Amino acid sequence: GAVVSQHPSWVICKSGTSVKIECRSLDFQATTMFWYRQFPKQSLMLMATSNEGSKATYEQGVEKDKFLINHASLTLSTLTVTSAHPEDSSFYICSADSAGGYTDTQYFGPGTRLTVL
Amino acid sequence: AQSVSQHNHHVILSEAASLELGCNYSYGGTVNLFWYVQYPGQHLQLLLKYFSGDPLVKGIKGFEAEFIKSKFSFNLRKPSVQWSDTAEYFCAVNPGGGADGLTFGKGTHLIIQP
Repeated sequence: GAVVSQHPSWVICKSGTSVKIECRSLDFQATTMFWYRQFPKQSLMLMATSNEGSKATYEQGVEKDKFLINHASLTLSTLTVTSAHPEDSSFYICSADSAGGYTDTQYFGPGTRLTVL
Repeated sequence: AQSVSQHNHHVILSEAASLELGCNYSYGGTVNLFWYVQYPGQHLQLLLKYFSGDPLVKGIKGFEAEFIKSKFSFNLRKPSVQWSDTAEYFCAVNPGGGADGLTFGKGTHLIIQP
């Protein structure tokens, strides 16, 4: 149980275009989902907290207008990288809280590798 | 804000050796503590977690960790490592009592030589 999927697993796009990444909890409902970014050979950095039915909460230094997050249902959150630039190339990972937002374990998706040319 | 420090960035051990990976955190309140493992080409998997209770926590694959509150530490241990334990190990924390994102340490790259 507690499986989280991401789509696509990798994407290559041209500079200036937008890319949407989906994160789904397959066998549980997730009131809260999280988006992280992982640079090569580095750790994960929390970008934002996505709450179903409300606006996302962004970490300091993360541009909310560039990284649009929508959590339209209890099983789906999307991250849209708008007007992507090469410096946005990274590994984006989502996680979902399995306990409805009351401090439990986060289960991670497999990640999406974004390459912006 | 909390922070997590993992002291060993690269560790190389032989099979059957004992393992201890250090993790210290900085946060003044109650915390939840986690160790995650990332095998090559795979996603993060939870090894073990501590929320409260017995400070010695046992996880999957023979791993355990001990929470020492006075030292703000949550070190990961395994008495005898296997080649298949080669992976990246991340310590993470979040404040207890709420649904917050995790703060990760920089990770430890563990290589087990057969």
